[in-house]
Amino acid sequence: AQSVTQLGSHVSVSEGALVLLRCNYSSSVPPYLFWYVQYPNQGLQLLLKYTTGATLVKGINGFEAEFKKSETSFHLTKPSAHMSDAAEYFCAVSEMDGSFKTIFGAGTRLFVKA
Amino acid sequence: DADVTQTPRNRITKTGKRIMLECSQTKGHDRMYWYRQDPGLGLRLIYYSFDVKDINKGEISDGYSVSRQAQAKFSLSLESAIPNQTALYFCATTDSGAEGRNEQFFGPGTRLTVL
Repeated sequence: AQSVTQLGSHVSVSEGALVLLRCNYSSSVPPYLFWYVQYPNQGLQLLLKYTTGATLVKGINGFEAEFKKSETSFHLTKPSAHMSDAAEYFCAVSEMDGSFKTIFGAGTRLFVKA
Repeated sequence: DADVTQTPRNRITKTGKRIMLECSQTKGHDRMYWYRQDPGLGLRLIYYSFDVKDINKGEISDGYSVSRQAQAKFSLSLESAIPNQTALYFCATTDSGAEGRNEQFFGPGTRLTVL
């Protein structure tokens, strides 16, 4: 079974600073990769996903992520943090065993300081 | 109106009580999922259903049961609630096309506390 590791349960940045949230997966074949965001008292919503094609994927709210097969990574970045980016972020992969279940990482809570 | 709704949004119950969490969706998706979220553990899959007659256990199904009453409705039951089932529960849906590549759509969650 696949696993997803998010480095850092909490990340704090200043407003306007670079956001970098790390995600590594374990898979012998390139999986389908997702980043979801969860705002307080809400369900998760999709930020972006990688299935095939271009390895740099752009999502909503200025976020992007790059799939690096050699590093089994799918890190999420945003050049300039905004206060409204404060939320919890989950990296996820689709299980490639025919069940196509989604495996979620433990989540990274992003704090943005004024 | 929300595409995926969950009722109740909050529930406090006592150990040993039976409780049902309900999920409805208007997205027309055939696949539905129940997850629980615990701090530091992310989301863990409890049960999933690919259609009304296809229900599968997830990684943490012990102590839970489900019912897919219709394509749009998927209920989660705790037959005899225990305190370590205190968590945030999410229902999600996805379309069966493009296997594995489709995003999941989540409900707003049910916060369950078992005393």
